[in-house]
Amino acid sequence: DQQVKQNSPSLSVQEGRISILNCDYTNSMFDYFLWYKKYPAEGPTFLISISSIKDKNEDGRFTVFLNKSAKHLSLHIVPSQPGDSAVYFCAASEDNYGQNFVFGPGTRLSVLP
Amino acid sequence: DAGVIQSPRHEVTEMGQEVTLRCKPISGHNSLFWYRQTMMRGLELLIYFNNNVPIDDSGMPEDRFSAKMPNASFSTLKIQPSEPRDSAVYFCASSPLAGAFTGELFFGEGSRLTVL
Repeated sequence: DQQVKQNSPSLSVQEGRISILNCDYTNSMFDYFLWYKKYPAEGPTFLISISSIKDKNEDGRFTVFLNKSAKHLSLHIVPSQPGDSAVYFCAASEDNYGQNFVFGPGTRLSVLP
Repeated sequence: DAGVIQSPRHEVTEMGQEVTLRCKPISGHNSLFWYRQTMMRGLELLIYFNNNVPIDDSGMPEDRFSAKMPNASFSTLKIQPSEPRDSAVYFCASSPLAGAFTGELFFGEGSRLTVL
């Protein structure tokens, strides 16, 4: 049973618009969350993180929102750019030492020019 | 600075053969992780090491898989004998052990394994 779910395998967005990627989790012990971006033939790269003491973290065009009661987090990209086209993975851990992150299956984002 | 280095980038082998994947973590990183990516299951943690010591190998699929970290700069993941269902991309990642406030893992480019 997947502890971290990304129910949308793919998402297409027009350039300049907002991209919203969603992630749900089942383990209430998770308290640290990250988003990774992956281009083809490359390893995933870290994008942004959030701990459970916050409900929002922002870094430039990227904002992650956390709703602990709903066990839901989302990544907003505003404005979306064609270079954002990639697979986005949500990951969760019970600690913030990067020891045992559980990854979701990923959502493929396509930003159309 | 060099990132995490994995070899080989691609491996094609026949069922029953031994496969060895190699990883060199970022210098100074104390934690090393092996992940496997498949279409069906996404990214799965296989095993991770802290200071060269295996901490959690509960993700290793079965006894055919083994991993070692003989020193701080080298790790191997071995599959013996290999089976077609082992076909996947295997990623190695490293991170600082303590003070990893972002929890960021640094991934290599992966080793794509095809078992015929």
